[in-house]
Amino acid sequence: NAGVTQTPKFRVLKTGQSMTLLCAQDMNHEYMYWYRQDPGMGLRLIHYSVGEGTTAKGEVPDGYNVSRLKKQNFLLGLESAAPSQTSVYFCASRTSGGTYEQYFGPGTRLTVT
Amino acid sequence: GDSVTQMEGPVTLSEEAFLTINCTYTATGYPSLFWYVQYPGEGLQLLLKATKADDKGSNKGFEATYRKKTTSFHLEKGSVQVSDSAVYFCALSLTDSSYKLIFGSGTRLLVRP
Repeated sequence: NAGVTQTPKFRVLKTGQSMTLLCAQDMNHEYMYWYRQDPGMGLRLIHYSVGEGTTAKGEVPDGYNVSRLKKQNFLLGLESAAPSQTSVYFCASRTSGGTYEQYFGPGTRLTVT
Repeated sequence: GDSVTQMEGPVTLSEEAFLTINCTYTATGYPSLFWYVQYPGEGLQLLLKATKADDKGSNKGFEATYRKKTTSFHLEKGSVQVSDSAVYFCALSLTDSSYKLIFGSGTRLLVRP
């Protein structure tokens, strides 16, 4: 049982390049989330999904797209990377019941030059 | 809107000292409250939680009580260890269909031997 995994762990992009971050969970969770973490700002929600085939915008969605084609995977795409997207990205998931806690992946550190 | 405010760090303590990290929140409805911990280079781990007023969450010697009157969820530990050095995040879960987490900005704790 790996929990929540993220690929890749590190990446350096040039401005204008594109990439996709992959999040996978093996806990059969309905809900999945993408956050970014910047110094002094805590975690801010980018996009989320309440089930397979659904996505919704969070607090800071501009410049990102997501897809949830399979229940266990949640992809975060950057179509044209900008230096302002340099950050650490965390994926999280939660079950549909329970007490609302989310389980986090180890993070992806992205640098855009 | 909903928000979480926690004390700024860093907090520097000697081993075996008493720890308090203040957290207050603003929310509609009755959110669940959480403390997450992030060790260097890792993702967030759930430390403890409370789901209703007057609940006390506890784990690994840490405690926090859900105080509705003062809208607070302060984290305490009676005797900190060097291994407790990390960043601590207070968070609340929205009670709408998204169950999003709203995070505070984080408090870095440094425990010296």
